[in-house]
Amino acid sequence: DAGITQSPRHKVTETGTPVTLRCHQTENHRYMYWYRQDPGHGLRLIHYSYGVKDTDKGEVSDGYSVSRSKTEDFLLTLESATSSQTSVYFCAISELRDTGELFFGEGSRLTVL
Amino acid sequence: SQQGEEDPQALSIQEGENATMNCSYKTSINNLQWYRQNSGRGLVHLILIRSNEREKHSGRLRVTLDTSKKSSSLLITASRAADTASYFCATDRTGANSKLTFGKGITLSVRP
Repeated sequence: DAGITQSPRHKVTETGTPVTLRCHQTENHRYMYWYRQDPGHGLRLIHYSYGVKDTDKGEVSDGYSVSRSKTEDFLLTLESATSSQTSVYFCAISELRDTGELFFGEGSRLTVL
Repeated sequence: SQQGEEDPQALSIQEGENATMNCSYKTSINNLQWYRQNSGRGLVHLILIRSNEREKHSGRLRVTLDTSKKSSSLLITASRAADTASYFCATDRTGANSKLTFGKGITLSVRP
């Protein structure tokens, strides 16, 4: 199994509070991704990173920010959580730019009350 | 809108039968990938087929790609109860800068 650790695995928070999810990899892969998974929508890309300090937006980036100060860590921050951000968040990593398969973490289930 | 749309949304078969799942997409692609997700777990890569390939095999899996129809199919032969999972197709669209777009998934149930 690829060395990907997501934390926390479960979190319940209240509307308006900040939340940070962490993705840590031990594979030294260049590309890292944050997806959210919701019933009826499948997986949707939030943000991704193609190197340290190099990030870009995905299709559902509003309300989210990311940071990557080290190769191994990719942080997803919800500055002010809303109920619509209740979801399961998956981190994924990839080595090859154009043909790379993704390796996924186990997911972080976030509930915003 | 989703790039990949799987069909059917749900499939229930008996152990030993074959399972066929389809994926259609809208724009040109570099490659198409299939993933499996067991309940409560992350996705696991199954197989990748490039746009210049028509068929690929991996164990009990067979994937086909028809770029003229913008469609792919995943065949699981001699299914087992352990194949029960959700299956997703994902497309690497041309010019999408290494971002995979996933479909909504197919729920496969294999009855013992």
